[in-house]
Amino acid sequence: GIQVEQSPPDLILQEGANSTLRCNFSDSVNNLQWFHQNPWGQLINLFYIPSGTKQNGRLSATTVATERYSLLYISSSQTTDSGVYFCAVHPRGTTDSWGKLQFGAGTQVVVTP
Amino acid sequence: DTAVSQTPKYLVTQMGNDKSIKCEQNLGHDTMYWYKQDSKKFLKIMFSYNNKELIINETVPNRFSPKSPDKAHLNLHINSLELGDSAVYFCASSVQADTEAFFGQGTRLTVV
Repeated sequence: GIQVEQSPPDLILQEGANSTLRCNFSDSVNNLQWFHQNPWGQLINLFYIPSGTKQNGRLSATTVATERYSLLYISSSQTTDSGVYFCAVHPRGTTDSWGKLQFGAGTQVVVTP
Repeated sequence: DTAVSQTPKYLVTQMGNDKSIKCEQNLGHDTMYWYKQDSKKFLKIMFSYNNKELIINETVPNRFSPKSPDKAHLNLHINSLELGDSAVYFCASSVQADTEAFFGQGTRLTVV
């Protein structure tokens, strides 16, 4: 099946810093999502971005589907950005992968005051 | 007005018991999912249903049985609970398979 790798696994940031999280995937995808799991465990949708670039406030994301990677940018980080960031993909192609949103292992982000 | 809601939020039970987790979505979506998040935070798909029909069943022990009475509901019943079943279980839904998925708040199951 498709492999989804996220880097770095852990990130410690000082408040106000910028950072880039990366998601590599091993095969073509129909769909890619970024989620933030906050310290209370909620999975919050950040971006639905099979290709191209999107921005939402201090966050932006870029997916280059032909090169099989996506980047999540956090600018001017705040303590509320702490949590785990997950990339998830829907593989393209076979019927047995239809409906199977596959997650990466996540990047644990800690933003310190 | 919660889009995907799960009950209960917390569940503590003894080994060998049978328990159910309920999930409802009010988004009008056709596809619903169950995911398990282990202690290392890894999220793995268990089941997905499209229009009440099972489309994905990932090597899950048959003690786990999903039931979809209608498009808006996907419940998870677990028989003979084991210590290794302790995890957070998430329900999700999407318009159809392969489109943007939205998750419930999770159910933390602890088996003692």
